[in-house]
Amino acid sequence: QVQLQESGPGLVKPSQTLSLTCTVSGGSMRGGAYYWTWIRQPAGKGLEWIGRVYTSGKTNYKPSLKSRVTISLDTSKNQFSLRLMSVTAADTAMYYCARAQLIEDAFRIWGQGTMVTVSS
Amino acid sequence: DIQMTQSPSSLSASVGDRVTITCQASQDVNYYLNWYQQKPGKAPKLLIYDASNLETGVPSRFSGSGLETHFTLTISSLQPEDIATYYCQHYDSIPYSFGQGTKVEIK
Repeated sequence: QVQLQESGPGLVKPSQTLSLTCTVSGGSMRGGAYYWTWIRQPAGKGLEWIGRVYTSGKTNYKPSLKSRVTISLDTSKNQFSLRLMSVTAADTAMYYCARAQLIEDAFRIWGQGTMVTVSS
Repeated sequence: DIQMTQSPSSLSASVGDRVTITCQASQDVNYYLNWYQQKPGKAPKLLIYDASNLETGVPSRFSGSGLETHFTLTISSLQPEDIATYYCQHYDSIPYSFGQGTKVEIK
């Protein structure tokens, strides 16, 4: 079955760019009708939807993050990525990648999450 | 943005109790509402999609109902393995958002 795995630096300095990759295994990202999504969760707090990229490459972002976020797809590597610029301590969180279908738009498949700390 | 408000924020109940969690949307989200269960140190797990549809493999003691702005998640008979935090999530419009979570504990 399809599995997701996040990877990337666990520590990022303030004002720098956070870059994470989600690798998809057990299935191809090509074809299908899926939303590949990033969600984050500060320690002890709730879940925040960051944005998504559709199979076609079309993206949607949370408006409050839109100026700093880029989500992209690399189907040749079966990966999708998150870039978050100009990070601050408020961006410290567990970052999850997840997949939802075009129909029945629910996050059925999640990565295990990767913790990112913003600190000098 | 649509705000999702859950109540209560936490609850303590006995094994076998019926537990109900509510989720209020700040505007009509039709039936575009999902429920997730998150155990400590784990990613969330989908329980209910489209407000009332039980995800495959989820025990039948979980059920969801509601429409437009008011939704409920019910556990008909609380089990020890149900200890977790529960989140509602709408997908009516961008940006999607989650409720703040309801932590369920055993009394």
